[in-house]
Amino acid sequence: DAGVTQSPTHLIKTRGQQVTLRCSPKSGHDTVSWYQQALGQGPQFIFQYYEEEERQRGNFPDRFSGHQFPNYSSELNVNALLLGDSALYLCASSLGGADAFFGQGTRLTVV
Amino acid sequence: ILNVEQSPQSLHVQEGDSTNFTCSFPSSNFYALHWYRWETAKSPEALFVMTLNGDEKKKGRISATLNTKEGYSYLYIKGSQPEDSATYLCALRDSNYQLIWGAGTKLIIKP
Repeated sequence: DAGVTQSPTHLIKTRGQQVTLRCSPKSGHDTVSWYQQALGQGPQFIFQYYEEEERQRGNFPDRFSGHQFPNYSSELNVNALLLGDSALYLCASSLGGADAFFGQGTRLTVV
Repeated sequence: ILNVEQSPQSLHVQEGDSTNFTCSFPSSNFYALHWYRWETAKSPEALFVMTLNGDEKKKGRISATLNTKEGYSYLYIKGSQPEDSATYLCALRDSNYQLIWGAGTKLIIKP
């Protein structure tokens, strides 16, 4: 079992561009959550997907959107990138939203 | 709104010494408290999940306690080893399955 895998591991984008991050959950898990961790802070909840629908959403603007596919994998999309979007983006998977297993994250740098 | 504070922000401990750090929260209105261990360039690793006041969990040299009445959880490491160097994060899981994180305690073990 590969656990939770995220791609890419690192990414550099220019302000105003759009980015898509990907997450494959741990085998058997049906729920995917996304978190943003800025430098020196704890992770902040972005949203959670379950049964291909957004179930919960944190305090993030509509520029942040997501999708969950029938195989439970998920994408995080960020439009109109700002410098402040530079962060580590973590994906976590779980069964029904309980105890979470995390990927290693995608480090996004916006220049 | 749940708010999670961790202290200290960072900690240098001599190898062989024991140490502890704190996760505090103002409200007992959460479903569970999680402790994670996060090494650089790796995924956060789940250590403990606690739900009830007075819960105590142990895993090898690491243990944790939960006091929901006074709003804190302690993580203890007995006989610190270099491999214990990591950032230790606590997170509260609310009824919507969101994890609300502290900023973490960065532990550095000096050989």
